[in-house]
Amino acid sequence: SQQGEEDPQALSIQEGENATMNCSYKTSINNLQWYRQNSGRGLVHLILIRSNEREKHSGRLRVTLDTSKKSSSLLITASRAADTASYFCATDAGTGFQKLVFGTGTRLLVSP
Amino acid sequence: NAGVTQTPKFRVLKTGQSMTLLCAQDMNHEYMYWYRQDPGMGLRLIHYSVGEGTTAKGEVPDGYNVSRLKKQNFLLGLESAAPSQTSVYFCASSYEAAYAVQPQHFGDGTRLSIL
Repeated sequence: SQQGEEDPQALSIQEGENATMNCSYKTSINNLQWYRQNSGRGLVHLILIRSNEREKHSGRLRVTLDTSKKSSSLLITASRAADTASYFCATDAGTGFQKLVFGTGTRLLVSP
Repeated sequence: NAGVTQTPKFRVLKTGQSMTLLCAQDMNHEYMYWYRQDPGMGLRLIHYSVGEGTTAKGEVPDGYNVSRLKKQNFLLGLESAAPSQTSVYFCASSYEAAYAVQPQHFGDGTRLSIL
């Protein structure tokens, strides 16, 4: 069963705009991760946020976590065409272990 | 540094045939995983391994077997392929997570079609 659901399923923006993707999950978690997948490639880890953290930054990425609402958001600022990809959230589903449960993903298209 | 390498990249099988997918990592990672990715469903964990000689079932293990005879290799076997196993298969690896969850590193996948 899928733990996370990303919203929206697809997002189309222009270069320079910000992109926000949301992830909702069902069970309590110890941590949540975001991954990027370019077309035809494997997933690449972007950022990890622990359940006791509310916000985390990495370059143009900003992740927030609201455990009371069981949701997380990924913000990409000043998007570039190279950011075109699918983005997935993944949680440990409360196990504290490495077995990740992935969401269904958001497809982001950034047009020049 | 190749990271995680999967072979083959593409394969077409007939129903009932068997095959083995190979995953190799050169990062000395303890943990390795096999996922399948189907349209609209994200990734689902098939089997995983926390060290050489150990394997465990994930979310969707039926119809698959795995082996981890060497630390750097993790094999996924389909004994009798079925059309429902048509999917993209991803292997991943990570450091041991005794004290903190570690990011997983993925290969580029094996696209498997079963007719």
